[in-house]
Amino acid sequence: DTEVTQTPKHLVMGMTNKKSLKCEQHMGHRAMYWYKQKAKKPPELMFVYSYEKLSINESVPSRFSPECPNSSLLNLHLHALQPEDSALYLCASSQDVLYNEQFFGPGTRLTVL
Amino acid sequence: GEDVEQSLFLSVREGDSSVINCTYTDSSSTYLYWYKQEPGAGLQLLTYIFSNMDMKQDQRLTVLLNKKDKHLSLRIADTQTGDSAIYFCAETPSGSGGGADGLTFGKGTHLIIQP
Repeated sequence: DTEVTQTPKHLVMGMTNKKSLKCEQHMGHRAMYWYKQKAKKPPELMFVYSYEKLSINESVPSRFSPECPNSSLLNLHLHALQPEDSALYLCASSQDVLYNEQFFGPGTRLTVL
Repeated sequence: GEDVEQSLFLSVREGDSSVINCTYTDSSSTYLYWYKQEPGAGLQLLTYIFSNMDMKQDQRLTVLLNKKDKHLSLRIADTQTGDSAIYFCAETPSGSGGGADGLTFGKGTHLIIQP
C-alpha cells in the first residue's frame, strides 16, 4: 500500500462548526505533514509530526488543532474557522524527517461559509 | 531565506519535449524534487535528485541539476495531453535534517499542451 488517503474529499462548514479532517497511511512512515494550499498557490507547511510528536507548528492559528493518535493516522481538528481558511488541505508522509521523499494524499477541499 | 522560482506557464505542442526550469537559493539543499498536480488533485511525486548528482533519468523524465547556478530543470520527452498539470519544484530547507521543516515549493509551472 503506497497511498495516503484523506477524508472527506470535500467539506463545507459554517464558522461556528467543529469538524475534523483525517489522513491515513500504511507505508510505515513515521513523519506526517499538514499543508494548506490556496487556489493557484503552492502548498504551505502547517504542521510536522515525527514519531507521533509535533515537531513543527508554522505559527498556525489555534483554530487548527492537529492530532496524531498513532503512527498511521493524522487528524486536523477545525473550530471557529474563517472564510479565508477555505483551501485545499493536503496531508503527506515520509519515511521519517531525515528522508524528505514525501507522498501526498489527494487533499480535502474545505469551504468555510 | 529559502526561495524557489519558476516560470508560471509553459506551452508546448503534443509530441514535443517540455523543459520546466526552477532556480533555488538554498545551496545546502540535500534533495530537490519535482511534483505534479492535476486540477483538483493532490501532489504526485514525479522524481527527485540528490544534490551530489548532475542528472537523473526515469523513462520520459530527465532531471538536470546545475548546483553552481542553483538551477534545476525537468524535461518531459514526447509530451502528451495527460502531462497537462502544474509542476512544482521543491527543496528541503537547510539545517532541517531532511523533512523536519517540510518542503519549500516554487509557485508552480502550468504546462499547457497544444494539439
